[in-house]
Amino acid sequence: NAGVTQTPKFQVLKTGQSMTLQCAQDMNHEYMSWYRQDPGMGLRLIHYSVGAGITDQGEVPNGYNVSRSTTEDFPLRLLSAAPSQTSVYFCASSYSGGQGARYGYTFGSGTRLTVV
Amino acid sequence: GQQLNQSPQSMFIQEGEDVSMNCTSSSIFNTWLWYKQDPGEGPVLLIALYKAGELTSNGRLTAQFGITRKDSFLNISASIPSDVGIYFCAGTVGGKLIFGQGTELSVKP
Repeated sequence: NAGVTQTPKFQVLKTGQSMTLQCAQDMNHEYMSWYRQDPGMGLRLIHYSVGAGITDQGEVPNGYNVSRSTTEDFPLRLLSAAPSQTSVYFCASSYSGGQGARYGYTFGSGTRLTVV
Repeated sequence: GQQLNQSPQSMFIQEGEDVSMNCTSSSIFNTWLWYKQDPGEGPVLLIALYKAGELTSNGRLTAQFGITRKDSFLNISASIPSDVGIYFCAGTVGGKLIFGQGTELSVKP
């Protein structure tokens, strides 16, 4: 049971490049989310999904796309990287309903992205 | 949209002291969660609260889900050096988990 796995752990991009941050969970969680964390800003929700085939925008969705074709995977795509997207990105997953309430969200260890 | 206001932003305390931090919101949340984040790591769940008015303990940690479902507090008793880190409150509604800005705790031995 690996939990929530994020790859890569570190990435440097040039402005305008695109890339995909991978997130996979093996706990059969319905809910998955992507966050970015900047100094002094806490964790801000980018996109989230309540199940396969269903995604929705969070607080800061601009510049990012997501899809959820399987329960296990929730990739985050940066369409055209900008220096403002330099951040630490976290993926998280959770059961829905009562189990989700009881056990909360499990987080990956993060991807540190620098855009130059 | 939903926002969580967490206070204080930072705390500097002596080992052995008790700590209290809280979160408020203008929106109702279904659950309140408290997380701790160590440097270079993802947040780790400390306490989950899912009933309004609920008071829950986990070792030296105690948290409460406000009766209005718009606030929560976390208390840490008899702090120790390993309590150092950033503490986040978070609330869930409709599959979304929203975070407060965090409280950075420093403990002086």
